[in-house]
Amino acid sequence: DSGVTQTPKHLITATGQRVTLRCSPRSGDLSVYWYQQSLDQGLQFLIHYYNGEERAKGNILERFSAQQFPDLHSELNLSSLELGDSALYFCASSGGRGEKLFFGSGTQLSVL
Amino acid sequence: ILNVEQSPQSLHVQEGDSTNFTCSFPSSNFYALHWYRWETAKSPEALFVMTLNGDEKKKGRISATLNTKEGYSYLYIKGSQPEDSATYLCAFWGSGSRLTFGEGTQLTVNP
Repeated sequence: DSGVTQTPKHLITATGQRVTLRCSPRSGDLSVYWYQQSLDQGLQFLIHYYNGEERAKGNILERFSAQQFPDLHSELNLSSLELGDSALYFCASSGGRGEKLFFGSGTQLSVL
Repeated sequence: ILNVEQSPQSLHVQEGDSTNFTCSFPSSNFYALHWYRWETAKSPEALFVMTLNGDEKKKGRISATLNTKEGYSYLYIKGSQPEDSATYLCAFWGSGSRLTFGEGTQLTVNP
């Protein structure tokens, strides 16, 4: 158990809908990262938050947004969903820059 | 765009074989290099965090080396076992605040 909690584990929805993925980092970790793994692709970096502030943004679509709350949990919001958004979304946390990441179990999103 | 490349893409070895994989990354603005092991139906787990040129890390039968000047790292597995079957990911941390992953090397160890 990595200590990182992601909910839900599975999500099935329809095109055009909006979903929220939730992540609680490991106790004491201030950094939260979101990654997307699509079919036959590696882990694609989406966004990094540190203590509530956005620190880096990757190839995150404008339809996607994220935030980190004062209690350090984070949410990834995906809107106007398309078939191509179907993927495994991972949240990870770390104590600081350069430190190893602890991954949650992921949310498998299926857009039908 | 940061290029983190891993080779080979996949590898099949027999139990008892020793093997190694390569990760290449930008040689400028280096901060850290990570190796992760990702078993099927699980989440990636960190193996090593390497920060200094010439670093060598070891964990049981797995070891890694780092050359930041030329931008490569090797992961070695000695005497592979079926339970070593997994995808091995390297990840590069440069001057920014993102960890960029390679596509991984998928290792299958046949009994």
